Amino acid sequence: QVQLVESGGGVVQPGGSLRLSCAASGFTFSSYGMHWVRQAPGKGLEWVAFIRYDGSNKYYADSVKGRFTISRDNSKNTLYLQMNSLRAEDTAVYYCAKDNADCSGGSCYSEYFDYWGQGTLVTVSS
Amino acid sequence: QSVLTQPPSASGTPGQRVTISCSGSSSNIGSNYVYWYQQLPGTAPKLLIYRNNQRPSGVPDRFSGSKSGTSASLAISGLRSEDEADYYCAAWDDSLSGPKVVFGGGTKLTVL
Repeated sequence: QVQLVESGGGVVQPGGSLRLSCAASGFTFSSYGMHWVRQAPGKGLEWVAFIRYDGSNKYYADSVKGRFTISRDNSKNTLYLQMNSLRAEDTAVYYCAKDNADCSGGSCYSEYFDYWGQGTLVTVSS
Repeated sequence: QSVLTQPPSASGTPGQRVTISCSGSSSNIGSNYVYWYQQLPGTAPKLLIYRNNQRPSGVPDRFSGSKSGTSASLAISGLRSEDEADYYCAAWDDSLSGPKVVFGGGTKLTVL
């Protein structure tokens, strides 16, 4: 069964950095795009970033562009989110989510998140 | 401020039918599929509807989706207490700064 396990959350001061990881299992990780989605306490969902199955393309929300970097290591079945210049408004639970599209044939069309992790909490506070 | 607009709350009694609306623009709902996610308290979201009106296996047929122009809606018939949750619409947005996924602000459904 598909499992996504996030780690790396914690408390960090404004301006600081943090790297989140998402360990994937139960599917061929290298064939699927992956997303990060966050949810501030008591607020709604906000998409953060997407990376294609082979890392060739990356897309970001305007709110994190230039500060966050999404990456992946297909040999380790792991997704990452490097977060720099953190702000109070980045405080949230961060979920990694699997994209639905199987890109093993080379061409695919990303649509939705079909599996989510349990999330890891990032708190930016002095 | 979310790109897609949903009512913050909705309610109904058991057995009733409720609908939740989602309004967007030509760059998102108007030109792409709409998806709906259900988030039960304290849990990660779960896909409820994909491609405007398709249900993943395991989702009861009490849940249905529709789309017209730049708006979409989720309907829940035969309301049950376990449907009490937050519901989010989502779509890809073909923005000038690159494709991105946009969400509605979420609708908290209360079963009275």
